[in-house]
Amino acid sequence: DTGVSQDPRHKITKRGQNVTFRCDPISEHNRLYWYRQTLGQGPEFLTYFQNEAQLEKSRLLSDRFSAERPKGSFSTLEIQRTEQGDSAMYLCASSLSGRQPQHFGDGTRLSIL
Amino acid sequence: GQQVMQIPQYQHVQEGEDFTTYCNSSTTLSNIQWYKQRPGGHPVFLIQLVKSGEVKKQKRLTFQFGEAKKNSSLHITATQTTDVGTYFCAGPSPERTGTASKLTFGTGTRLQVTL
Repeated sequence: DTGVSQDPRHKITKRGQNVTFRCDPISEHNRLYWYRQTLGQGPEFLTYFQNEAQLEKSRLLSDRFSAERPKGSFSTLEIQRTEQGDSAMYLCASSLSGRQPQHFGDGTRLSIL
Repeated sequence: GQQVMQIPQYQHVQEGEDFTTYCNSSTTLSNIQWYKQRPGGHPVFLIQLVKSGEVKKQKRLTFQFGEAKKNSSLHITATQTTDVGTYFCAGPSPERTGTASKLTFGTGTRLQVTL
């Protein structure tokens, strides 16, 4: 049983650089979510897709953030011109439908130098 | 916007003691979900409660959904060191279509268990 996979697991970059993360959801799941989690906090919703359509974006998602799910399968989250405050764990989750439990990947830990 | 609070923020128990975490939402929830996150790990789904007043058990874990569907609790009987982690409740936010989707996570309760 393959779960949600995320790549890379860790990313260290200098402030101002662009980074891109990838998420591969569970294959039959049509919903895909991105969350951000900082130390000691719960995950905060960023955006979600139903198939290839991006249905909602949080106000947390500034113009520097963009997410895609071009063929309704894997998704990418790009952060442009990274800032210190972007340092966090970026979690991807998928679910069969809107009311079904979400299954999380291991996350990508982003560290901004 | 919707807010979900949990108490306590942290609890340290000795193995064998019981543990309870409480979750309160600012809005009525269509369902409540509980997740466990081990140190260094990702949230893992434990259970979903849907009905008002619902109680579900998983071995030593008992989950309850309040009558007003705005609060919930997780009780662990006779804790073990394997129970260590942070427990989050999460409530879906209703969308325009009425099908809940994105989750608002609670603040979490970190449980430490020592021998």
